[in-house]
Amino acid sequence: DVKVTQSSRYLVKRTGEKVFLECVQDMDHENMFWYRQDPGLGLRLIYFSYDVKMKEKGDIPEGYSVSREKKERFSLILESASTNQTSMYLCASRPGHSPLHFGNGTRLTVT
Amino acid sequence: QKEVEQDPGPLSVPEGAIVSLNCTYSNSAFQYFMWYRQYSRKGPELLMYTYSSGNKEDGRFTAQVDKSSKYISLFIRDSQPSDSATYLCAMTAGNTGKLIFGQGTTLQVKP
Repeated sequence: DVKVTQSSRYLVKRTGEKVFLECVQDMDHENMFWYRQDPGLGLRLIYFSYDVKMKEKGDIPEGYSVSREKKERFSLILESASTNQTSMYLCASRPGHSPLHFGNGTRLTVT
Repeated sequence: QKEVEQDPGPLSVPEGAIVSLNCTYSNSAFQYFMWYRQYSRKGPELLMYTYSSGNKEDGRFTAQVDKSSKYISLFIRDSQPSDSATYLCAMTAGNTGKLIFGQGTTLQVKP
């Protein structure tokens, strides 16, 4: 079974902090994704990567950046956390032709 | 208008009922259709994956796609309390293309 692991289940950070969310997958998938999930808004794509050191903006990239130095790891960075970035963050991966496999999410609260 | 519309519910049914969950979409290019189940405080897990029109059955679950009406359904037979979750539909035009999600329908199955 595919395993997508997000390093933290819950995080509480202060406004203005730099925040790192880490995601690791164990199936050698080329493609990795970061979404945020909010009530009433559903899942929104922040960034995705189709190869090491490659990244593409999703629908809501503002305030975020990403890093993919190794194939199995995809990091989401909040440069200066704000309260409107309080959300559930979901990492996902897939090989070239397949549905997404999700991690269990990181619930981030910015105070 | 959203590309994918899904009634958020909540939907409450008694144990043993047949459940019908639905999504409508506007993009006729969509060809790959998925249903994800998401338990509280967990990431979405893939339930069903179908290509083009027709039915697909897996145990108590049946996925149905009607491309002419731009309408997809997930049926759950003999529903159980363990089926209580949020169900997300998702679709894409190409197998490696961007996935578009519905908002999710929250289902509660009462014992």
